[in-house]
Amino acid sequence: GNSVTQMEGPVTLSEEAFLTINCTYTATGYPSLFWYVQYPGEGLQLLLKATKADDKGSNKGFEATYRKETTSFHLEKGSVQVSDSAVYFCASKGAGNNRKLIWGLGTSLAVNP
Amino acid sequence: EPEVTQTPSHQVTQMGQEVILRCVPISNHLYFYWYRQILGQKVEFLVSFYNNEISEKSEIFDDQFSVERPDGSNFTLKIRSTKLEDSAMYFCASKETANTGELFFGEGSRLTVL
Repeated sequence: GNSVTQMEGPVTLSEEAFLTINCTYTATGYPSLFWYVQYPGEGLQLLLKATKADDKGSNKGFEATYRKETTSFHLEKGSVQVSDSAVYFCASKGAGNNRKLIWGLGTSLAVNP
Repeated sequence: EPEVTQTPSHQVTQMGQEVILRCVPISNHLYFYWYRQILGQKVEFLVSFYNNEISEKSEIFDDQFSVERPDGSNFTLKIRSTKLEDSAMYFCASKETANTGELFFGEGSRLTVL
């Protein structure tokens, strides 16, 4: 079946450090891929997405590129801020009507000043 | 900006009690979902709902759970007789279109079963 695997946390970085959170997926066909973020005490929010191979999703300085050859969708940011401290979830959704999201376990990021 | 709203934000209940979690999806959305996240675990799909009926449900969504959209705006999740293991954050989500439409999540309702 479809699955999403993301790197385990917690990840602790200093402000302005480079961030990578790895995510790989298994799926039949070509799913859409998403990164969601959950800030402390808040709900899930879509951070970025990509719907086909080689697409790059970007938002708030974060980027992720849909790599079909490596079945990956790694999240990157060149310079993290304290306000980026949150839990980040990778997710995939198969093609077709009404397919549910398949979630990774989430990676907690703590950014220290 | 339109948003999905959920109430209550936190509910504490005794084991065996019925709980109703309410969601108001974005007004022009047609597809509705409930997910849950037990503390420290994955976000899990519970159920999807379209055209006033369940489209898909997971193995978690047993006979203790039900959903309905009684008045065309609220989308409710009912747990008939809560168990300790139902303690989780429950997220409602909605989207406008079937395939590539963005899924909008509410802020979640935290359920604590004692």
